[in-house]
Amino acid sequence: NAGVTQTPKFRILKIGQSMTLQCTQDMNHNYMYWYRQDPGMGLKLIYYSVGAGITDKGEVPNGYNVSRSTTEDFPLRLELAAPSQTSVYFCASSPRTGIGSYNEQFFGPGTRLTVL
Amino acid sequence: DQQVKQNSPSLSVQEGRISILNCDYTNSMFDYFLWYKKYPAEGPTFLISISSIKDKNEDGRFTVFLNKSAKHLSLHIVPSQPGDSAVYFCAASANNDYKLSFGAGTTVTVRA
Repeated sequence: NAGVTQTPKFRILKIGQSMTLQCTQDMNHNYMYWYRQDPGMGLKLIYYSVGAGITDKGEVPNGYNVSRSTTEDFPLRLELAAPSQTSVYFCASSPRTGIGSYNEQFFGPGTRLTVL
Repeated sequence: DQQVKQNSPSLSVQEGRISILNCDYTNSMFDYFLWYKKYPAEGPTFLISISSIKDKNEDGRFTVFLNKSAKHLSLHIVPSQPGDSAVYFCAASANNDYKLSFGAGTTVTVRA
């Protein structure tokens, strides 16, 4: 049981390039999330998904896109990379089964992205 | 708008002593609170949580206290150990929301 895995661990992009950050979980969780963490800041939610085929915007969605075609995978797409997207990106999943259940989230190890 | 605030960016404590981390929130709809621990180059890991129907939850060396009237919670680590050196995030959620709101984190350093 690998939990939440993310690839790549590190990446340097040039301004204007695009890339996809991969996230996979093997816990059969319905809920998945993408966060970014900037230095000295908490985690900011980019996008989230409550199940395959369903995605929604978080606090900071601009410049990103997501898709959720399977329960396991939740890739994050960066189009036209900008220096402001330099950050550490975390993917998380949650077993939350509905209203009334608590919302512990399990995190992947992160992807450190630098845009130059 | 930061709904969860950790006003102390860092804390240094001697091994064996108590570490107290504080967290304040502004959203009265929050009813579930969590603490996460994060080591460098790793993702956050769940540490302990508390529901708003309780004022205290204990798990080994870790205790979380909740003061709803003050919209304040704290994490106590007793005794502190070198392996506790990490960044600690406070997070909160509302029962009808799938999302967590995180504080900025407090870096704890345990000195030998």
